[in-house]
Amino acid sequence: NAGVTQTPKFRVLKTGQSMTLLCAQDMNHEYMYWYRQDPGMGLRLIHYSVGEGTTAKGEVPDGYNVSRLKKQNFLLGLESAAPSQTSVYFCASSSAGLGNSPLHFGNGTRLTVT
Amino acid sequence: AQSVSQHNHHVILSEAASLELGCNYSYGGTVNLFWYVQYPGQHLQLLLKYFSGDPLVKGIKGFEAEFIKSKFSFNLRKPSVQWSDTAEYLCAVIDGGSQGNLIFGKGTKLSVKP
Repeated sequence: NAGVTQTPKFRVLKTGQSMTLLCAQDMNHEYMYWYRQDPGMGLRLIHYSVGEGTTAKGEVPDGYNVSRLKKQNFLLGLESAAPSQTSVYFCASSSAGLGNSPLHFGNGTRLTVT
Repeated sequence: AQSVSQHNHHVILSEAASLELGCNYSYGGTVNLFWYVQYPGQHLQLLLKYFSGDPLVKGIKGFEAEFIKSKFSFNLRKPSVQWSDTAEYLCAVIDGGSQGNLIFGKGTKLSVKP
């Protein structure tokens, strides 16, 4: 009964380092999303995917790349981390478009960039 | 693009008090509206949603929300809060159709004193 699993849970990076956040869902959902949550800013969409092999930009895509090589996984990459990317990152999935099914969220990854 | 305003950043109530959290979205037409909740240490989960029909929507744990089209509002209510309702509450609206972005408000933190 895992749902949406994010790894790692915590990470500290130095400016300029790279890393990949992994999101895995076991619900056979078509749609997957990456959000960041910052104090006083709510949740903002970084990138999303409407199916295996597809990705699209969200509201704040700069500095991030994503890949959806397998239906169950959605990877978020930071090629050269910046302090402005310090945030809590949430992955979510849904079985259909947002108008037809709710989002299922992971527990988040807390990233600090020094 | 749509935007969502949540007017209260932090609400503090005593147990048994009534709750109303404000949520306004920026423009009309057909809207899909959501309230999500994040309990301490847990992931975001759907509280309730409005797509069409009865503007008074009932969700989990005794919460309800009323869609008032003329006021562009979707306020969340609960007649009598409990300590276990302490959480962050986020209002969201779909922007741009069923595959579009889900726009979140900045969230309201609710603290319930026992």
